[in-house]
Amino acid sequence: GQQLNQSPQSMFIQEGEDVSMNCTSSSIFNTWLWYKQDPGEGPVLLIALYKAGELTSNGRLTAQFGTTRKDSFLNISASIPSDVGIYFCAGRQAGGTSYGKLTFGQGTILTVHP
Amino acid sequence: GAVVSQHPSWVICKSGTSVKIECRSLDFQATTMFWYRQFPKQSLMLMATSNEGSKATYEQGVEKDKFLINHASLTLSTLTVTSAHPEDSSFYICSARAQGKANEKLFFGSGTQLSVL
Repeated sequence: GQQLNQSPQSMFIQEGEDVSMNCTSSSIFNTWLWYKQDPGEGPVLLIALYKAGELTSNGRLTAQFGTTRKDSFLNISASIPSDVGIYFCAGRQAGGTSYGKLTFGQGTILTVHP
Repeated sequence: GAVVSQHPSWVICKSGTSVKIECRSLDFQATTMFWYRQFPKQSLMLMATSNEGSKATYEQGVEKDKFLINHASLTLSTLTVTSAHPEDSSFYICSARAQGKANEKLFFGSGTQLSVL
């Protein structure tokens, strides 16, 4: 089935550094969602994007819906230790028949050193 | 955001027994809920789509008689792992679709860690 290519797979950064991760697809998506998952917990929605070119911020997080509708990126500025976790992108394909069904990226494991 | 409650958070059971996991949307109605399975440090794998008042739609390779899904109300879906085996041990997560005025979002429960002995 359709997959999203998420990169990088893992990142080790120092506190205060900025972080960038992205997802790409060979198919067109009409929705991009970014989630963060802590160990033993369910994913928590960070940012939702619905229009090509849309740039949305949530505190230190910024995400963009690519103009080609085949990619999205998430930036985290001035990272702090509590940013540690796994970040997932998720997308909903255009013209899909399974309403609400999402495709997930493989995840980016973020480690922040104090 | 909307709240999705999943219970229990963890369960340990003997091989051969059945385990029921509940997923509730607390402050919204969810006509559609989704059940996922996740292995350590891996992405979420969709198991099935739960539709209120109708049969669930299972993904390819997921045994419907093994993983029974019931979505009897607009706020509750249950996943029952029947005759559990050690290979069923995993992290199970549900999500519910909350439809807003213009767009829809998907919110997740906190997950259930199942360990089958």
